[in-house]
Amino acid sequence: GENVEQHPSTLSVQEGDSAVIKCTYSDSASNYFPWYKQELGKRPQLIIDIRSNVGEKKDQRIAVTLNKTAKHFSLHITETQPEDSAVYFCAASSRGATNKLIFGTGTLLAVQP
Amino acid sequence: NAGVMQNPRHLVRRRGQEARLRCSPMKGHSHVYWYRQLPEEGLKFMVYLQKENIIDESGMPKERFSAEFPKEGPSILRIQQVVRGDSAAYFCASSRLAGIETQYFGPGTRLLVL
Repeated sequence: GENVEQHPSTLSVQEGDSAVIKCTYSDSASNYFPWYKQELGKRPQLIIDIRSNVGEKKDQRIAVTLNKTAKHFSLHITETQPEDSAVYFCAASSRGATNKLIFGTGTLLAVQP
Repeated sequence: NAGVMQNPRHLVRRRGQEARLRCSPMKGHSHVYWYRQLPEEGLKFMVYLQKENIIDESGMPKERFSAEFPKEGPSILRIQQVVRGDSAAYFCASSRLAGIETQYFGPGTRLLVL
């Protein structure tokens, strides 16, 4: 079945360091890969997404890379700040026309000041 | 431009009661998705609807759960005869078009079954 694996489940970094979260997906037909940030008790908020026709996308301190051959994609956050602390979810689109998203299990990122 | 709206934000029900969760998509959006998030877990797809149509309900439990998105008014996720295992956060998301489109999430409804 469709599956997205996400690692690590928890990540603690010092303020100013970089953080990397990795995801692997199973459905070779997936072609859209968003990343969401969820603070405690809040809604998931889209922070960046990438489509299968590009290998990398960057938005200020956040970047996402995609390797379609290996079915891997990663989130990179540079110069981390305490306000980056949250749970981050990767997702992959499902095959077919429904655009349902298959989510990873989340990474709790803690940025220590 | 209001975002996705959900109500109620918190809902407490006793076992056997019914729960109705409402979702109003963003203005101009006609595609609605419902996801369930169990405590300390990721989001699981439940159902995808367009106005007056259920497009994909592959994630919906076979019994007690139903969803609709009428021509007028919000989308409704209905859970009959709730059980404790239904306790979760239920999020809806909306998109403007079908296909590869950004999904914007609502604030969620946190259902607690006593």
